[in-house]
Amino acid sequence: GDSVTQMEGPVTLSEEAFLTINCTYTATGYPSLFWYVQYPGEGLQLLLKATKADDKGSNKGFEATYRKETTSFHLEKGSVQVSDSAVYFCALRTSSASKIIFGSGTRLSIRP
Amino acid sequence: NAGVTQTPKFRVLKTGQSMTLLCAQDMNHEYMYWYRQDPGMGLRLIHYSVGEGTTAKGEVPDGYNVSRLKKQNFLLGLESAAPSQTSVYFCASSWPQGRTGTDTQYFGPGTRLTVL
Repeated sequence: GDSVTQMEGPVTLSEEAFLTINCTYTATGYPSLFWYVQYPGEGLQLLLKATKADDKGSNKGFEATYRKETTSFHLEKGSVQVSDSAVYFCALRTSSASKIIFGSGTRLSIRP
Repeated sequence: NAGVTQTPKFRVLKTGQSMTLLCAQDMNHEYMYWYRQDPGMGLRLIHYSVGEGTTAKGEVPDGYNVSRLKKQNFLLGLESAAPSQTSVYFCASSWPQGRTGTDTQYFGPGTRLTVL
């Protein structure tokens, strides 16, 4: 079945460091791919998305490129801030499904 | 525009008690979802609805019931609560897939439930 695998956390970085959170997926057809972010005490909110191969989603300095050949959608940011501390979820939605499948989440902590 | 709201925010139950969690959305979304979030397990889908009067089982439906009598509301019921149902519950809503640019799910702030 369809699934999402993302790197386990927690990930701890210093401010201004480069961030990569790996995400790979298994799906039939051509899914849409998402990154959601959950700040402490809040619900999830969409960070960025890509709907077809080679698309790049971007928001708030974060980027992720839909790589069909490697079935990946890795999240990157060039210089993280303390305010980026949160849990990040990779997710997919297939064209025929009414549901989104989430990865297990990666907790990111940024040290000042 | 309140988005997705959940009631209550916190609740403590004793084993065997019942309760209903209410989710409301004001975006006229057709799809609504209930998830539970447990440490190290991400989000797991409990039940969902693709329209008023419809419901369907998700990944972990046992011990829960749902109803969607009005398009804007989606209720999650626990008939006889168990300690294993201690979790944070999130409601979400969305448009149907395929509607251009609108397949994002919008989440409520969550309900933290403890069953003793």
